[in-house]
Amino acid sequence: DQQVKQNSPSLSVQEGRISILNCDYTNSMFDYFLWYKKYPAEGPTFLISISSIKDKNEDGRFTVFLNKSAKHLSLHIVPSQPGDSAVYFCAARSNTGNQFYFGTGTSLTVIP
Amino acid sequence: EAQVTQNPRYLITVTGKKLTVTCSQNMNHEYMSWYRQDPGLGLRQIYYSMNVEVTDKGDVPEGYKVSRKEKRNFPLILESPSPNQTSLYFCASSLMGLAEQFFGPGTRLTVL
Repeated sequence: DQQVKQNSPSLSVQEGRISILNCDYTNSMFDYFLWYKKYPAEGPTFLISISSIKDKNEDGRFTVFLNKSAKHLSLHIVPSQPGDSAVYFCAARSNTGNQFYFGTGTSLTVIP
Repeated sequence: EAQVTQNPRYLITVTGKKLTVTCSQNMNHEYMSWYRQDPGLGLRQIYYSMNVEVTDKGDVPEGYKVSRKEKRNFPLILESPSPNQTSLYFCASSLMGLAEQFFGPGTRLTVL
């Protein structure tokens, strides 16, 4: 059973606008949440993370929001750029620090 | 250059023929892990290792073995591959306690 879910397989956004990628989880015992970006024929690369004790983390154009009561996190990219076009995976770490659970990914296309 | 390397990058084999996919990292990371990526399922953790000689099962360990005799290497062994192990495999590593992982470029395995 998928413990981390990304319900939108794809998203298209105009360059310069905001991209919002969403992720839901079921296990309240996760202590860290992460977003990875993946280009074709490459491994995922770390983008941004957030601890379960926070509700927002910002890094340049990327902001992750965590809503623990709703078991929901989102990644905001502002402004979106064509180079942001990639598959984005949401991931969560168990509070034992050992295991990781990934979503199914959202393919983002930023249209110039 | 800090990196995780995997070999081979592509492999086509037949059912039952034992194979090993190697993974090596040069960052002195304690934690290493193997994932498989399948359409509609995202990345799923196969095995992980907290340090030399310490390994444990992830979410989908059936049909796989691992070993961690040296800190830098974490090979994935398929003793009797089956067609349902056809997948894209990623190795990853991180410092203990940190959630962000560095991923290798992936190994595309086809079992006929």
